[in-house]
Amino acid sequence: DQQVKQNSPSLSVQEGRISILNCDYTNSMFDYFLWYKKYPAEGPTFLISISSIKDKNEDGRFTVFLNKSAKHLSLHIVPSQPGDSAVYFCAASPFGGATNKLIFGTGTLLAVQP
Amino acid sequence: GAGVSQTPSNKVTEKGKYVELRCDPISGHTALYWYRQSLGQGPEFLIYFQGTGAADDSGLPNDRFFAVRPEGSVSTLKIQRTERGDSAVYLCASSPGLAGDNEQFFGPGTRLTVL
Repeated sequence: DQQVKQNSPSLSVQEGRISILNCDYTNSMFDYFLWYKKYPAEGPTFLISISSIKDKNEDGRFTVFLNKSAKHLSLHIVPSQPGDSAVYFCAASPFGGATNKLIFGTGTLLAVQP
Repeated sequence: GAGVSQTPSNKVTEKGKYVELRCDPISGHTALYWYRQSLGQGPEFLIYFQGTGAADDSGLPNDRFFAVRPEGSVSTLKIQRTERGDSAVYLCASSPGLAGDNEQFFGPGTRLTVL
């Protein structure tokens, strides 16, 4: 069973506009969430995280929103840049941080058009 | 400083052979993780080390898979009697190992192809 779901395999956005990537989870024990970005032939790179005690975390152009009641989180990138084109993975942990296993979604391929 | 490194970057083997994949974590990181990423999927957890011991090996798919970290630094993932279904990118990650680590730092992965 897929505990972390990213239902959009791909997303195309114009440069300068907002990109919104979505993630749903089923396990109510998850209390820490992360977003990773992955370029081809490279390992995933950490972007931003959020603890379940918060509903929003912002870092520059990246903001993550968490809706615990809906078991849903989203990553907003604004303004989007061509260099943001990559696969984005949502990940979750029930351990209050990133120590121990992370459960990943299947990823969303973001293409930012110049 | 240096990030997580993995060798080899690519490994092609024949069905039934034995393979070893190596991971060098970031210096000082006590936690080390192995994941496997199949085509079109996200990384799938295999095993987590805290120091020299496997703190969680619940993701190892069967007893053909084994991992060691004898000195609490470098780790080797060992796969016996490889099968075509083992073909994937094997990712290693490390973190400081403190409760509430913010992130795991990933290496570039080893692409394993079993013919």
